Amino acid sequence: KAGVTQTPRYLIKTRGQQVTLSCSPISGHRSVSWYQQTPGQGLQFLFEYFSETQRNKGNFPGRFSGRQFSNSRSEMNVSTLELGDSALYLCASSFYPSAGVEKLFFGSGTQLSVL
Amino acid sequence: TQLLEQSPQFLSIQEGENLTVYCNSSSVFSSLQWYRQEPGEGPVLLVTVVTGGEVKKLKRLTFQFGDARKDSSLHITAAQPGDTGLYLCAGQNTGNQFYFGTGTSLTVIP
Repeated sequence: KAGVTQTPRYLIKTRGQQVTLSCSPISGHRSVSWYQQTPGQGLQFLFEYFSETQRNKGNFPGRFSGRQFSNSRSEMNVSTLELGDSALYLCASSFYPSAGVEKLFFGSGTQLSVL
Repeated sequence: TQLLEQSPQFLSIQEGENLTVYCNSSSVFSSLQWYRQEPGEGPVLLVTVVTGGEVKKLKRLTFQFGDARKDSSLHITAAQPGDTGLYLCAGQNTGNQFYFGTGTSLTVIP
């Protein structure tokens, strides 16, 4: 069973640009969530999608947005990039609703550097 | 915001030593999970604890969920270099949202 796939693996952008990151969940998983990881702030929740609907949202500005397609693949977009957006962006999929506790399966992430 | 604080933040020990990592919060969680993350990779789930007071063992790793479901600990016996990584606790609330801890970076020196 293939794991969670995130593309691209690395990305370098300049301030003011926008970027789109992609995530393909594990086959059969219907929930996709996104996290931002930085050395100073740790892992912070961005948003979660289930069946193409945003189910939860973290405390990030409106420049951060996402969507989920009918095949459960998800994209997140960051507009007007700032230096502070440099981070590892992680996508996690889960089989929701599950009979037991929800478990997250993470991709390897997209390392975004904003210059 | 439901904060999870982990201690210590950094830990460097010799192979064969024992260690304990703590995860504390003022919030109650419906479940708590521990993940390990290696450089350049995403976190990998190690264990899920659900019941207050629950203890789970995974080979040399022992996980405990506090009675009040607000805190947890991870104990590693006879640490090995392969245990090196970033250990993250994550609490899930009744709204099915996950909150991750600040992380503990463990280095086991051969």
